[in-house]
Amino acid sequence: DSGVTQTPKHLITATGQRVTLRCSPRSGDLSVYWYQQSLDQGLQFLIQYYNGEERAKGNILERFSAQQFPDLHSELNLSSLELGDSALYFCASSVATRRGTDTQYFGPGTRLTVL
Amino acid sequence: DAKTTQPNSMESNEEEPVHLPCNHSTISGTDYIHWYRQLPSQGPEYVIHGLTSNVNNRMASLAIAEDRKSSTLILHRATLRDAAVYYCILRDVGDSWGKLQFGAGTQVVVTP
Repeated sequence: DSGVTQTPKHLITATGQRVTLRCSPRSGDLSVYWYQQSLDQGLQFLIQYYNGEERAKGNILERFSAQQFPDLHSELNLSSLELGDSALYFCASSVATRRGTDTQYFGPGTRLTVL
Repeated sequence: DAKTTQPNSMESNEEEPVHLPCNHSTISGTDYIHWYRQLPSQGPEYVIHGLTSNVNNRMASLAIAEDRKSSTLILHRATLRDAAVYYCILRDVGDSWGKLQFGAGTQVVVTP
């Protein structure tokens, strides 16, 4: 158990809909990362938050958005869903020491299926 | 970002050692070498990291070539639980708390 929790575990929805994925980081971790894993693209970085502020963006679509709340939990919002958005979405957290190196701890993921 | 090259897959017998190679010929002096693994139906998990010297922990050992252009992750006695995809990732010390850049990794198959 990494200490990172994600809800829900599974989500099935239809094209055009909007969903919200939730992540609670490990206690004490200030940074949250979102990754998408699909069969054809592998694990792709989407976005990073640090202490409530967006720090880095990866290949995140404009239809996707995220935020980190004062209690440090994070939500990833996916809208106007398409079949191609079906994937595993992982959240990770880290202390973000900014010294030397930093370990990321991953949650169990949310499996999104768009029909 | 400096790239890494790993074999697509490797097979091992249970309780035998497994040596997973990673080539990173364009590594810079400030790149750390990290290894993560992803067990089936789980999120990735940290295995080990190093900069120049060989490193050991309870999960594995990391052997780094003297010129740092390659490294090898060593699982000393593979168990069925070690069957996973192993990712070799370079991280610049200046962005040590940034994203992880995953490649395709090496699928390790462990046979009883």
